[in-house]
Amino acid sequence: AQRVTQPEKLLSVFKGAPVELKCNYSYSGSPELFWYVQYSRQRLQLLLRHISRESIKGFTADLNKGETSFHLKKPFAQEEDSAMYYCALGGSNAGGTSYGKLTFGQGTILTVHP
Amino acid sequence: GAVVSQHPSRVICKSGTSVKIECRSLDFQATTMFWYRQFPKQSLMLMATSNEGSKATYEQGVEKDKFLINHASLTLSTLTVTSAHPEDSSFYICSHPAGGSPDTQYFGPGTRLTVL
Repeated sequence: AQRVTQPEKLLSVFKGAPVELKCNYSYSGSPELFWYVQYSRQRLQLLLRHISRESIKGFTADLNKGETSFHLKKPFAQEEDSAMYYCALGGSNAGGTSYGKLTFGQGTILTVHP
Repeated sequence: GAVVSQHPSRVICKSGTSVKIECRSLDFQATTMFWYRQFPKQSLMLMATSNEGSKATYEQGVEKDKFLINHASLTLSTLTVTSAHPEDSSFYICSHPAGGSPDTQYFGPGTRLTVL
């Protein structure tokens, strides 16, 4: 069974401080990991995907298969980063066929104080 | 990115009535759409996969007779909550996969259902 765990329900930091949102997963196939963000009164939107290895809005996330983690990091948090962040797991079977379904973690509410 | 709309954005109904929620893909033909349920400040739970022209695939524990899904065209999927009860009150969100990457989803804005 696939599972995503975000151990922190709430995370508060001050502006300019580093922030790390933790995500661990459990999956027997070839995982694809995502971070989705939901700003206040807005729809869920993709922040970044592990296979893109990109930095979006200053955020990065590295897939660590040994630790089965995909933590989201930003060196200097901004007030506009305050939102709900979801780690999500998709994936493919051994044949490489993607199912297209996502399993979400419980979410972490990030609050960045001025 | 693709645009997904939902209608209505908010609905309040009496217990025992049925409610239909529409999910439209405005600029993408989606053979597959997903329906999620989200409780306040909690995770999204996948309810079912809506397949154009065929039956929906429901996740374990989701009553298919309670949550009827119809995907009659490539741009429209509907979720009907039948005989709604207060415990069905929730935020219902649909999504469809991005064309080049099935695991990347575009989400609708959600529908807030309140059953009195």
